[in-house]
Amino acid sequence: DIRMTQSPASLSASLGETVNIECLASEDIYSDLAWYQQKPGKSPQLLIYNANSLQNGVPSRFSGSGSGTQYSLKINSLQSEDVATYFCQQYNNYPHTFGAGTKLELK
Amino acid sequence: QVQLKESGPGLVQPSQTLSLTCTVSGFSLTSNSVHWVRQPPGKGLEWVGAIWSGGSTDYNSALKSRLSISRDTSKSQVFLKMNSLQTEDTAIYFCTRNWEGFDYWGQGVMVTVSS
Repeated sequence: DIRMTQSPASLSASLGETVNIECLASEDIYSDLAWYQQKPGKSPQLLIYNANSLQNGVPSRFSGSGSGTQYSLKINSLQSEDVATYFCQQYNNYPHTFGAGTKLELK
Repeated sequence: QVQLKESGPGLVQPSQTLSLTCTVSGFSLTSNSVHWVRQPPGKGLEWVGAIWSGGSTDYNSALKSRLSISRDTSKSQVFLKMNSLQTEDTAIYFCTRNWEGFDYWGQGVMVTVSS
C-alpha cells in the first residue's frame, strides 16, 4: 500500500495568514492526488484534484502543487470558515490511501 | 443535482453482517464509479472499496475477505456487505462518487458494533 505522510498534524494560524500543509507519498503517485476539507459533523469536501486543479466552487485562495512524491496545499489569506481538518488522498494505486489529516485552528 | 444517501442499521452485534445501501441521484451508476470510505470516531479516513461503472469491484486488501460491494442500476443503488464485524469496524460509513477525486459525498451513516 502507498503510505501518505501528512504534516503537520495540527496547525494554529491567524486570520489573513498563509498556511501550507504537506503530503509525502511513499512512492511516485504521478500527481494522482486530491485534497479534502472536513468540518466537524460533515462529509469531506473536495478542494483540489490532480494535485493542482481547483474543484468548481472552491475559493481561489486554495491551491495545490507538487509532483512525484511531494505535494502541498496552500491557503492564502486564511478566513474563519477555513477552520477544519484537511486530508490528502492518493488515487494512483489501490487502496486509495489518505493522509492522517491536519487540524487547522485559529490563533 | 448529484446526491448520495447512505442507509442502514446504526447498531450491529459483533460477528454479525453489516448491510448498507447508497442511493444515488443526478448521475448514472453506469457512467461513474461509487466508492465507500469509512471514518472511525475522531479518526482519519479509510478507503473501503469501489464499484466501477462497468460493474467490476475493488476492495481494500485489509477488508477483502469480509467485504462485498454490488449494485442495482435500475434502482440507482449500491450495496455494501461486510461480515464478521468487530468493534474496530465502528465508524461513519460514507459513499462517494468518483470523478477526478471524490467530488460528491453522502452525509454518512454511523455504524456501531456492540453487543
